[in-house]
Order: sequence, then C-alpha cells, then structure tokens
Amino acid sequence: KNEVEQSPQNLTAQEGEFITINCSYSVGISALHWLQQHPGGGIVSLFMLSSGKKKHGRLIATINIQEKHSSLHITASHPRDSAVYICAAEGTSGSRLTFGEGTQLTVNP
Amino acid sequence: DTEVTQTPKHLVMGMTNKKSLKCEQHMGHRAMYWYKQKAKKPPELMFVYSYEKLSINESVPSRFSPECPNSSLLNLHLHALQPEDSALYLCASSPAGWGHYGYTFGSGTRLTVV
Repeated sequence: KNEVEQSPQNLTAQEGEFITINCSYSVGISALHWLQQHPGGGIVSLFMLSSGKKKHGRLIATINIQEKHSSLHITASHPRDSAVYICAAEGTSGSRLTFGEGTQLTVNP
Repeated sequence: DTEVTQTPKHLVMGMTNKKSLKCEQHMGHRAMYWYKQKAKKPPELMFVYSYEKLSINESVPSRFSPECPNSSLLNLHLHALQPEDSALYLCASSPAGWGHYGYTFGSGTRLTVV
C-alpha cells in the first residue's frame, strides 16, 4: 500500500462539471501539497495545506487531519483544467515529498 | 522573479557523452531539489541542497553528479548514462530546507539517452 493514495486515477468530465479528486495518506505530515502538471511537464504548486480549507479561483482544497484525507475540488471545470493533479505529503522532518500516483483529468468541451 | 528556470528544455545524448543540466532561481530560496520523473509516474527525489550543501542523496548512481555553485544555481552533471535514464528531470526550490512555504518547480529538462 502506497503511503499516499489518490483516486480516481483517471477522470473525464464535461465542461462545467464539478470535479473532486481525493487523496489519503498514512504518514505523519507537516503539510499536504496539491500540484498540477500539464503535458509539457512543468509542475505548478496549487495549494499547501496543514489544516482546514483553501480557495483560489475555481479551485478549493480541503484537508481533514484526523482522517488523513484531502480533497481537491474544481468548480465550473474548463478544458484548460485538463492536466495531471498530484497530491504530495510533506513529512514532519521536511525536505521530502511523498507523491501520489496522480489523477489524469480530461475536461471535454 | 518567481520562477525556476531550467535549461536546456530538451537534451539528446549518447551513452559516452558528458552533459549538464542547469537550474536557476532568483527568489532567495535556500533549498533546491532535483527530481527524476518517468512517463506516467510521480517524480522521484534525487538530491536536496540546503544552504548550498548536499543534504540528501537518494542513493543516486554516481553517473549523476549534482553541484550547487551558489544559492541561485543548481547543476546536474551527467556522464555515461544509460537509456533507462531517459526521463524528465525537474528542479524545484523552496525558501528553506522544510518546504513549509511551498515549492516552486521548473518546467523540466526532457532527457533522451541514445
């Protein structure tokens, strides 16, 4: 069992749909990161969470520390949201991210 | 400047070549990282530099040699690579060795070893 597990692995949605990607982790963390990777390869850091909820535009990230679970939500999805979304847990000793396998999101027009 | 710049974007090299990947940031970050990413897999940590000193080496083969000449620059020297080393090499930085303020990633160098 991976220390960080994401679901689903693949997700196809129609433009405008509400999307949820889930992440569960089994390690102690100091922070939980959500990252976005487009086909070109570069990674963009979307959120860093240690508690509660954060919102940026149409993106919302939540974390439940007791349940060791985080979710990334995308409201009013758009084809430009198509990318791989990666959850990464930062350990308590720092400097090391444990990555989930990623969720490939495709939003069709 | 809020970017991590990696050069070159693409590199094709033979197994006997010596080449270098370069990563630069001017955000004052004091921790810098090299990751290797194979297709459809998450990144794997290779090296971490903290305050210009190597703090983590994830048992990477010696054909990969990192160098941090100053706080803004990180190099990865490549020598006698194998075809299985073909991958996307990502550089990242963070304000301190903990990454508690978030990471900034570069766009990567796509390396092909022939």
